[in-house]
Amino acid sequence: QQQVKQSPQSLIVQKGGISIINCAYENTAFDYFPWYQQFPGKGPALLIAIRPDVSEKKEGRFTISFNKSAKQFSLHIMDSQPGDSATYFCAASIGGGATNKLIFGTGTLLAVQP
Amino acid sequence: DSGVTQTPKHLITATGQRVTLRCSPRSGDLSVYWYQQSLDQGLQFLIQYYNGEERAKGNILERFSAQQFPDLHSELNLSSLELGDSALYFCASSVASSGGAYEQFFGPGTRLTVL
Repeated sequence: QQQVKQSPQSLIVQKGGISIINCAYENTAFDYFPWYQQFPGKGPALLIAIRPDVSEKKEGRFTISFNKSAKQFSLHIMDSQPGDSATYFCAASIGGGATNKLIFGTGTLLAVQP
Repeated sequence: DSGVTQTPKHLITATGQRVTLRCSPRSGDLSVYWYQQSLDQGLQFLIQYYNGEERAKGNILERFSAQQFPDLHSELNLSSLELGDSALYFCASSVASSGGAYEQFFGPGTRLTVL
């Protein structure tokens, strides 16, 4: 119930293409869904986040699509660039509880080929 | 730069030893979270402190403990170290513990190697 399932494990995209990473959850109490980007040797950096009261959120080239009924959400990276090559993690938390601890997906290693 | 600082950056020690990892949250953040990142377990929540008090525990071993001091910095203590404790340890901070302030900002991490 506390798991967040992420796919694919790795992804290769050509420069200028669209990268799509998917996540699914079971616990309907989750009410905050962030995506983190992590470069080798660095800590995860918050990229974009969404609450379940909206179906889509866009920030620059990054878009989160959220399907509450299917309990799924995805990250779309438009016009993917070599600089986007990193590991991406989806996560979820229950803001209304005593803690905002994050439950992370297993990560997707993205390689954008020039 | 997230504003969260962690020291040391790297730590190499032997089995059975004890180490202390330190974290300073962003200015104004009251909540500190510790996460462990390993190849087999991924990113896992260990423990959270809010304004000096323990708020939540996750998959934290009994050999591990943490505390948050009055100046809000936090320390994670790992004792009786085993080879399997080798991992990256991240600290994150947020303004509040729950409610509307969800965003967590991560530090650069401490890479622990147990030989």
